[in-house]
Amino acid sequence: DVKVTQSSRYLVKRTGEKVFLECVQDMDHENMFWYRQDPGLGLRLIYFSYDVKMKEKGDIPEGYSVSREKKERFSLILESASTNQTSMYLCASSLDPIYNSPLHFGNGTRLTVT
Amino acid sequence: GQNIDQPTEMTATEGAIVQINCTYQTSGFNGLFWYQQHAGEAPTFLSYNVLDGLEEKGRFSSFLSRSKGYSYLLLKELQMKDSASYLCAAPNNAGNMLTFGGGTRLMVKP
Repeated sequence: DVKVTQSSRYLVKRTGEKVFLECVQDMDHENMFWYRQDPGLGLRLIYFSYDVKMKEKGDIPEGYSVSREKKERFSLILESASTNQTSMYLCASSLDPIYNSPLHFGNGTRLTVT
Repeated sequence: GQNIDQPTEMTATEGAIVQINCTYQTSGFNGLFWYQQHAGEAPTFLSYNVLDGLEEKGRFSSFLSRSKGYSYLLLKELQMKDSASYLCAAPNNAGNMLTFGGGTRLMVKP
């Protein structure tokens, strides 16, 4: 079974702090994704990566950056956290090609910015 | 981006059949995914349709009409544990990312 592990289940940060969300997958998947999930808005893609050191913007990249230095690890960075970034963050991975490979999700990190 | 529409909420009775609809803009990549998400948990993959027609997997079936940009998820012999959100997702025109609908929250009542 594919395992996607997110480093924290719950996180509370203050406005203006730099926040790192870490994600590790153990199945050698090429593609990794960061989504946020908010009530009424569903899952929205922030960034994705199809290879080491490669990244692509999703639908809502503003206020976020990512890092993929190793194939198994994909980090989401909030350079200066704001209250509107309070959300559930979900990491996922998949094989190629993206358009017909199921996503495998981590359990999520619920981030609260106060 | 893609527009994907599905009902926000549905209620059904244990033992019954329920159909959850999803409509999406057609694109060059015509497959469609369904995921199940229980409250507080991660979404899990249910089905992927790339050809027109119905695919059955036990109590769950998924249907796709590519020309109409329409899919549905059919759940038979509903159980209380089927209470969850059901998300449909389709590739964007470039085929390099999935766009999700808002999800349908299904409540199964005794």
